[in-house]
Amino acid sequence: GQNIDQPTEMTATEGAIVQINCTYQTSGFNGLFWYQQHAGEAPTFLSYNVLDGLEEKGRFSSFLSRSKGYSYLLLKELQMKDSASYLCAGLRSNDYKLSFGAGTTVTVRA
Amino acid sequence: GAGVSQSPSNKVTEKGKDVELRCDPISGHTALYWYRQSLGQGLEFLIYFQGNSAPDKSGLPSDRFSAERTGGSVSTLTIQRTQQEDSAVYLCASRRGTPYNEQFFGPGTRLTVL
Repeated sequence: GQNIDQPTEMTATEGAIVQINCTYQTSGFNGLFWYQQHAGEAPTFLSYNVLDGLEEKGRFSSFLSRSKGYSYLLLKELQMKDSASYLCAGLRSNDYKLSFGAGTTVTVRA
Repeated sequence: GAGVSQSPSNKVTEKGKDVELRCDPISGHTALYWYRQSLGQGLEFLIYFQGNSAPDKSGLPSDRFSAERTGGSVSTLTIQRTQQEDSAVYLCASRRGTPYNEQFFGPGTRLTVL
């Protein structure tokens, strides 16, 4: 199969750092997307990694290791507004559709 | 509007009735996707339109589901003879250019089948 696995829930304190891991089958994907989805709202794009390594965008960074089938999203200096679900999605190389993980719900506490 | 819009935002229907869900993609986006999101589940692909090509219907769960895209723009997802297991949030997304570009999602239609 082409499972995308990520933890269901994470809790962290305002100002802290949280790392959301995502693992997938190494064969069959061309890259990894991360989306943020606040409750009741549309998913919004955060990052896309196609090459190995870390990409930084302000407080958010995303990492990819293609050989290990592993990605993570790093959220720094957490703010209350970062409480949301974070979706990992692999771009399938056979048909270029996205396979989504079930999402990780991050709760930021004061 | 600059984003993807969907209507209605909420739909409550009785089992056995037909429903139509509408998606207005971003102008100029050639690709349009429909997904279904159930509680605790990842987004489930339903159907994909790309330009004038035949749609990829491989994700439709049964023949009660169909979709069309008129004039390369607005799309309608139709569910016939709705069942309780069809209750979910139906999301539409559009994209420009290649599959490596991000998909822009609409706010979704929450469908409840009683």
